[in-house]
Amino acid sequence: NAGVTQTPKFQVLKTGQSMTLQCAQDMNHEYMSWYRQDPGMGLRLIHYSVGAGITDQGEVPNGYNVSRSTTEDFPLRLLSAAPSQTSVYFCASSPLGGPSTDTQYFGPGTRLTVL
Amino acid sequence: KQEVTQIPAALSVPEGENLVLNCSFTDSAIYNLQWFRQDPGKGLTSLLLIQSSQREQTSGRLNASLDKSSGRSTLYIAASQPGDSATYLCAVRPQGAQKLVFGQGTRLTINP
Repeated sequence: NAGVTQTPKFQVLKTGQSMTLQCAQDMNHEYMSWYRQDPGMGLRLIHYSVGAGITDQGEVPNGYNVSRSTTEDFPLRLLSAAPSQTSVYFCASSPLGGPSTDTQYFGPGTRLTVL
Repeated sequence: KQEVTQIPAALSVPEGENLVLNCSFTDSAIYNLQWFRQDPGKGLTSLLLIQSSQREQTSGRLNASLDKSSGRSTLYIAASQPGDSATYLCAVRPQGAQKLVFGQGTRLTINP
């Protein structure tokens, strides 16, 4: 199993550009989520999904869109990049069997810089 | 609003020492608490998951405890090794929420 994979590893954008961060998992997990990690602020939830066709907002959803057309993939779209979106982005997945099976599996992250 | 705090922000100890990392949370209404390890430039690796009904979990040299009523968890690392150097994060899953709330982490350095 590859686990959770994310592409690209690094990305530099100019203000106003759009892009999609890719996330895929091969563990057949129902739950997938996106976090951003910023110095001094810990990890914050952007969006999450509990299954194909179902998404919901987290703490900091503004400026980001998600969709979940398959169990495996959960892409994150930046609509019009802003310098405030400079961050490290992590995708995570877990089974949805309840709190006892909540172990989260994280991808390696995408380091995004917006100039 | 649930808040998670980890103190200290950084810790440096000599190899071989036993050590304790602390995590506190403001709302005891949680499903579970997890401890993660993050190496520089890498993603997070789950170390231990404690259900709200449990008091502790053990994995090898790691032992995590949970006192839900006081809003505290500790991660005990026995016989520390240089390979244990990393940032350790704790996170709680609030009841009724499909998310984790993270602390800011403790950066641990084990000196040979």
